[in-house]
Amino acid sequence: AQSVTQLGSHVSVSEGALVLLRCNYSSSVPPYLFWYVQYPNQGLQLLLKYTTGATLVKGINGFEAEFKKSETSFHLTKPSAHMSDAAEYFCAVSPSGNTPLVFGKGTRLSVIA
Amino acid sequence: DGGITQSPKYLFRKEGQNVTLSCEQNLNHDAMYWYRQDPGQGLRLIYYSQIVNDFQKGDIAEGYSVSREKKESFPLTVTSAQKNPTAFYLCASSARQGAGETQYFGPGTRLLVL
Repeated sequence: AQSVTQLGSHVSVSEGALVLLRCNYSSSVPPYLFWYVQYPNQGLQLLLKYTTGATLVKGINGFEAEFKKSETSFHLTKPSAHMSDAAEYFCAVSPSGNTPLVFGKGTRLSVIA
Repeated sequence: DGGITQSPKYLFRKEGQNVTLSCEQNLNHDAMYWYRQDPGQGLRLIYYSQIVNDFQKGDIAEGYSVSREKKESFPLTVTSAQKNPTAFYLCASSARQGAGETQYFGPGTRLLVL
């Protein structure tokens, strides 16, 4: 079965610092990969998605992620954190066939002024 | 505006009571999903439906039931058999169920036990 591991349940960065949220997946076939963001008491919003082609994917709000097949990773980055980036972030993998998305446990990002 | 609506925003359940959470979408999506979210546990799939009049159990279906009589609606009933129902419930939809399909989420319903 495919799975997703998000390293670090809580990450804290200073405003203006680099944001790096880690995601590793297990998959026997090339996967489709997603990052979602959730603000408090709200639903999830798609940040970006990797399907095929270019391995560096740009998303909304200045975030990007790079698919590295050799490392089975899909880490999310943003060069400069804003206070508004404080939220929970979920990595997800789309298994092959007809199975719904598999989500990681999430990483809560705090941004310190 | 197209999207997914969930109601109510907050729901209170008494001991032994069944309660139903509403999920409606006007995106013309075939597939719909219900997730349960608990702190530190991410999203866990309860049920999903690929098409009208069809649905499949997810990872934690015990104590829950669903129906899919209309394309736009996928209500979730939390039965009295669910002993620990306090959680945040999220409904989602996608154009179809398959590899690579993006899921779009509603705003969620928070269920609390009195």
